[in-house]
Amino acid sequence: DGGITQSPKYLFRKEGQNVTLSCEQNLNHDAMYWYRQDPGQGLRLIYYSQIVNDFQKGDIAEGYSVSREKKESFPLTVTSAQKNPTAFYLCASKQGVSTGELFFGEGSRLTVL
Amino acid sequence: DAKTTQPTSMDCAEGRAANLPCNHSTISGNEYVYWYRQIHSQGPQYIIHGLKNNETNEMASLIITEDRKSSTLILPHATLRDTAVYYCIVRVVYNFNKFYFGSGTKLNVKP
Repeated sequence: DGGITQSPKYLFRKEGQNVTLSCEQNLNHDAMYWYRQDPGQGLRLIYYSQIVNDFQKGDIAEGYSVSREKKESFPLTVTSAQKNPTAFYLCASKQGVSTGELFFGEGSRLTVL
Repeated sequence: DAKTTQPTSMDCAEGRAANLPCNHSTISGNEYVYWYRQIHSQGPQYIIHGLKNNETNEMASLIITEDRKSSTLILPHATLRDTAVYYCIVRVVYNFNKFYFGSGTKLNVKP
């Protein structure tokens, strides 16, 4: 079945460590997105990518990094520079510039100990 | 993209219609209205979208006022599985990148 796969679902890290969250899609979508969600809040855009080898900062990019070396993959690295990384992270994808909708993965919950 | 305003929470009896309002008074002519929902600790799920006309699909109906400054999402026969946070979003169709999700409306469907 086509969809978006995020891994790991749960992740614990110590302060000062970098961690990478995986996002893979087999929908052949051009655009991919990373959002962060804090408890009781809406989603905030971290980074997005419209095509391979290109990506742009969203509203809260500080302390995060991404790469887009393949169309189907858009990993997010949470660096030690992110002051409050404990959150629920959601990856999404979309087919091109159209009225189409975002498709989301099931999310990764990161807890910093 | 235009900002949206939604009630924080709503209750609905199981089997009854759930009507979720959204205000988007600053919406411009090329902005669509989208609705998503998020069941606890899952990724948001697309429900429906529209520009001017009312829309209906297998999940819901979307009613947009004539001046387009507000809309209502209707779940015709709410079930317990419809308990979720519902997000109303407006976006320019050619704005490739950004869907802004506010805090949404928590719909509680009760037996």
